[in-house]
Amino acid sequence: GDSVTQMEGPVTLSEEAFLTINCTYTATGYPSLFWYVQYPGEGLQLLLKATKADDKGSNKGFEATYRKETTSFHLEKGSVQVSDSAVYFCACSWGKLQFGAGTQVVVTP
Amino acid sequence: GAGVSQSPSNKVTEKGKDVELRCDPISGHTALYWYRQSLGQGLEFLIYFQGNSAPDKSGLPSDRFSAERTGGSVSTLTIQRTQQEDSAVYLCASSKTGLGQELTGELFFGEGSRLTVL
Repeated sequence: GDSVTQMEGPVTLSEEAFLTINCTYTATGYPSLFWYVQYPGEGLQLLLKATKADDKGSNKGFEATYRKETTSFHLEKGSVQVSDSAVYFCACSWGKLQFGAGTQVVVTP
Repeated sequence: GAGVSQSPSNKVTEKGKDVELRCDPISGHTALYWYRQSLGQGLEFLIYFQGNSAPDKSGLPSDRFSAERTGGSVSTLTIQRTQQEDSAVYLCASSKTGLGQELTGELFFGEGSRLTVL
């Protein structure tokens, strides 16, 4: 069936390091793709999205490109900050929004 | 309010008791979703409302779980005869558009109701 797979955490990085969180999906169609973020003590919020192949979503220095050929939507940020510490969820919409298991990111000073 | 509001934020109950969790979506959002977030697990879809009807309740784990929505607004998720495996954070989200339409819009989540079944 349709599913979303993302890399397991926790991912621990130093400030200003490069961050990549891998996300792949399986689907028979072409879903819209999303990254949501959950900061400590807060609700999930949309970070970025892409609705068709080769689209790039970007926000707060984060980017992800919809790769149809590899069915991937990897999240990247060139220089992380302590304030980026959160749990990141990849999600795909085949009608309902289906989430990956989440990846905890810890950024240390 | 400006965002999705859920109550209670924390609920501790004894096994076998019934619980009700409430969600007040953003005004004007026709679609409402319930998800469950268990420790170490992703977000598990439970049920979706479009207006007051629930065209997709495929994620409800058992017949102990039910949900309703009234007036196209507030929704209540009810868990009867709670079990320890029901312990989780129950998240509610709303959006302007919903299933059956192209889901390119954003879901707005509440902060969740943490349920602990002893």
